[in-house]
Amino acid sequence: KAGVTQTPRYLIKTRGQQVTLSCSPISGHRSVSWYQQTPGQGLQFLFEYFSETQRNKGNFPGRFSGRQFSNSRSEMNVSTLELGDSALYLCASSGDTLLNYGYTFGSGTRLTVV
Amino acid sequence: AQSVAQPEDQVNVAEGNPLTVKCTYSVSGNPYLFWYVQYPNRGLQFLLKYITGDNLVKGSYGFEAEFNKSQTSFHLKKPSALVSDSALYFCAVRDPNSGNTPLVFGKGTRLSVIA
Repeated sequence: KAGVTQTPRYLIKTRGQQVTLSCSPISGHRSVSWYQQTPGQGLQFLFEYFSETQRNKGNFPGRFSGRQFSNSRSEMNVSTLELGDSALYLCASSGDTLLNYGYTFGSGTRLTVV
Repeated sequence: AQSVAQPEDQVNVAEGNPLTVKCTYSVSGNPYLFWYVQYPNRGLQFLLKYITGDNLVKGSYGFEAEFNKSQTSFHLKKPSALVSDSALYFCAVRDPNSGNTPLVFGKGTRLSVIA
């Protein structure tokens, strides 16, 4: 079974630009969650999509948005990038229940804003 | 609201010695608890979970964790540390009575095993 695939692995963007990150979950998983990981803050929850609907949302500004397609692939978008958006962005997929392994994570996209 | 705390940013242990990485949680009911490990430039990998049943759960790579309801703790342990265990460890919690809320993670503990 293929794992969670995140693309691209690395990105360098300039302040003010926008960026789109992609996540393909494990086949059959309908839930995709996004987390931002920074050294000082650990993992901060961004949002979760389930069957193309946003089911949960973390405490991030509106510059952070996402969507999920009918094949469960998800994208997140960050507009008007700020230096503080530099982080590792992790995508995690899960089945209809968390009881097995919780989340399965992708390797992440490391975003650097300069 | 659910929360989890990892009180130690860094744990150092000599190879061959036992290791403990601490985690305490706060949920309104009985928690679902998880431990994950992260190696450099990688995502998080599942180690073990507690859902219900025996308080001592065994997981991957020889790790185990003990659920202690009275102390609201879920400490990760290994009898004999390896240099290859050096990584970042995350504890996570979910309150099963709170609907489809996401996993809440601690800030992580960096484990360094010294040869």
